[in-house]
Amino acid sequence: TQLLEQSPQFLSIQEGENLTVYCNSSSVFSSLQWYRQEPGEGPVLLVTVVTGGEVKKLKRLTFQFGDARKDSSLHITAAQPGDTGLYLCALINFGNEKLTFGTGTRLTIIP
Amino acid sequence: DAGITQSPRHKVTETGTPVTLRCHQTENHRYMYWYRQDPGHGLRLIHYSYGVKDTDKGEVSDGYSVSRSKTEDFLLTLESATSSQTSVYFCAISESSFPGYTFGSGTRLTVV
Repeated sequence: TQLLEQSPQFLSIQEGENLTVYCNSSSVFSSLQWYRQEPGEGPVLLVTVVTGGEVKKLKRLTFQFGDARKDSSLHITAAQPGDTGLYLCALINFGNEKLTFGTGTRLTIIP
Repeated sequence: DAGITQSPRHKVTETGTPVTLRCHQTENHRYMYWYRQDPGHGLRLIHYSYGVKDTDKGEVSDGYSVSRSKTEDFLLTLESATSSQTSVYFCAISESSFPGYTFGSGTRLTVV
């Protein structure tokens, strides 16, 4: 079973600060997705990264896929209260339509 | 306009009773999934379907069964509910892994 670990598990920072959360796999995978989940709702897809070393930006969010295709990071610049939520990474294996999710990072931005 | 709806949103049931959760989609997507979400475990796949009457087990399928008689509906049944099945259950749909899954809003199930 491929393990997907996210760190930190919890993060609480002040509005305006920068932060990075991490997603690490025990083995190489095809591609990876990041989701954000708000209380009482299902996860919502933020981005898919496919190529080793790939960097994608979504406004203040920067997603990076590791060169070795075993890890990914999410960097948020100037965090806003609206960024509060549970951030989940999910890996995709070749030829497999099923996602394997990490345990998530619960982010709280303090106004 | 949600595209995917789950019912009920909340349910409390007694140990040993059967429970059925429903997932309904209007997107005509081929794939449908049932996940459970528990603290410290993230989202874990229970069962999934890749077409009408085509289903398969996920990593935590014991105690659960599913059925898909129509493209739009995917039912999850707990044959005899146990306290360990207290959880939040999410349904998801997709055409493929790209661009990704669309999740429902979840069903919070409490087994007492």
